[in-house]
Amino acid sequence: KNQVEQSPQSLIILEGKNCTLQCNYTVSPFSNLRWYKQDTGRGPVSLTIMTFSENTKSNGRYTATLDADTKQSSLHITASQLSDSASYICVVRGGTNAGKSTFGDGTTLTVKP
Amino acid sequence: DAGVIQSPRHEVTEMGQEVTLRCKPISGHDYLFWYRQTMMRGLELLIYFNNNVPIDDSGMPEDRFSAKMPNASFSTLKIQPSEPRDSAVYFCASSLSGRYNEQFFGPGTRLTVL
Repeated sequence: KNQVEQSPQSLIILEGKNCTLQCNYTVSPFSNLRWYKQDTGRGPVSLTIMTFSENTKSNGRYTATLDADTKQSSLHITASQLSDSASYICVVRGGTNAGKSTFGDGTTLTVKP
Repeated sequence: DAGVIQSPRHEVTEMGQEVTLRCKPISGHDYLFWYRQTMMRGLELLIYFNNNVPIDDSGMPEDRFSAKMPNASFSTLKIQPSEPRDSAVYFCASSLSGRYNEQFFGPGTRLTVL
């Protein structure tokens, strides 16, 4: 069964600190992995996408990594800001249904001043 | 482009009533997805369409739920009859086919069934 597991479930950090969110998946065959940010009361917005051949990709203060061998991804946030408070969702596309993606339950990040 | 448009943004109804949620995808996108999000279960894919044709409806919880896409610019998700356990935020998303097809989400409809 295709699954995506994220950890931690929630995280509280102080403004300016760094943090790393984890995503483990069992989706096979793998097509791509995307990290979404969902602000409270809004729909998810894509932060970055990782394909099989990519190990790391940055988008401003966000850096995603992918280890396709161990089927793990991480999202590192540098110098956190209050606006980073949101839910971060890991989504893996692949499997036998080409159009379908498997969503993780998300990590809720709270950045405090 | 205005992005994915959903209506209504909020819906409060009583158990047993019919509820219709509406979605206008981004022009030119050929995939449309309906999701449900709750605290307990996170984001769940209910159904998705490709070129207006339903491809996978295995996420639709039961026969009370139905979805249609009569044309490329409009889709509906109907719940009849509604139950309190249907209370959730329902998102519509659209994407353009391709290897990296990013899904663009609408603002969601918050449904409360009393």
